[in-house]
Amino acid sequence: TQLLEQSPQFLSIQEGENLTVYCNSSSVFSSLQWYRQEPGEGPVLLVTVVTGGEVKKLKRLTFQFGDARKDSSLHITAAQTGDTGLYLCAPAAGNKLTFGGGTRVLVKP
Amino acid sequence: KAGVTQTPRYLIKTRGQQVTLSCSPISGHRSVSWYQQTPGQGLQFLFEYFSETQRNKGNFPGRFSGRQFSNSRSEMNVSTLELGDSALYLCASSLVAAGRNEKLFFGSGTQLSVL
Repeated sequence: TQLLEQSPQFLSIQEGENLTVYCNSSSVFSSLQWYRQEPGEGPVLLVTVVTGGEVKKLKRLTFQFGDARKDSSLHITAAQTGDTGLYLCAPAAGNKLTFGGGTRVLVKP
Repeated sequence: KAGVTQTPRYLIKTRGQQVTLSCSPISGHRSVSWYQQTPGQGLQFLFEYFSETQRNKGNFPGRFSGRQFSNSRSEMNVSTLELGDSALYLCASSLVAAGRNEKLFFGSGTQLSVL
């Protein structure tokens, strides 16, 4: 059985600070997606990482896929209040996505 | 273009009743996936339909069912509602069958409360 863990479960920081959230598993994934979900809305795709060791940048967000393709991290530089939300990782195995429990991020002004 | 539309937005039912939720995917998208989201269990996969055929199914009891029409619109039905079915039900569409690199577009969900 695949175990998927996101940490921390909750993170509260001040605007301007940096933060990192993690997605770890016991299984190897063919690819992994990161989504952000704001209150009252559905998740929105941020990025897809495919290659082990891959690093992708999206403005202030940096995504990394582990060399062994079993883990991933999301780093936000100089967080803004608009970064508040639930961050979900979704590794793909075969043709099905499995979502982690998410990290709830609160950026305070 | 219009996004994924889910109706109704909110729903209140009592135990034992049944409910039908609707999802209209983005125009041209042929795959529709359904997810249940609760604070305790997170986002759990219910099923995926592609070209009117169920392609994948999650670990939910048979009370949960769905279908997809020729215009790609999808419905999911929950019969004999239980308190534990209270959740946000999310629908996601994708251009082709959901897979490892396919981008999912989510609707805003239907918040179901079972009393």
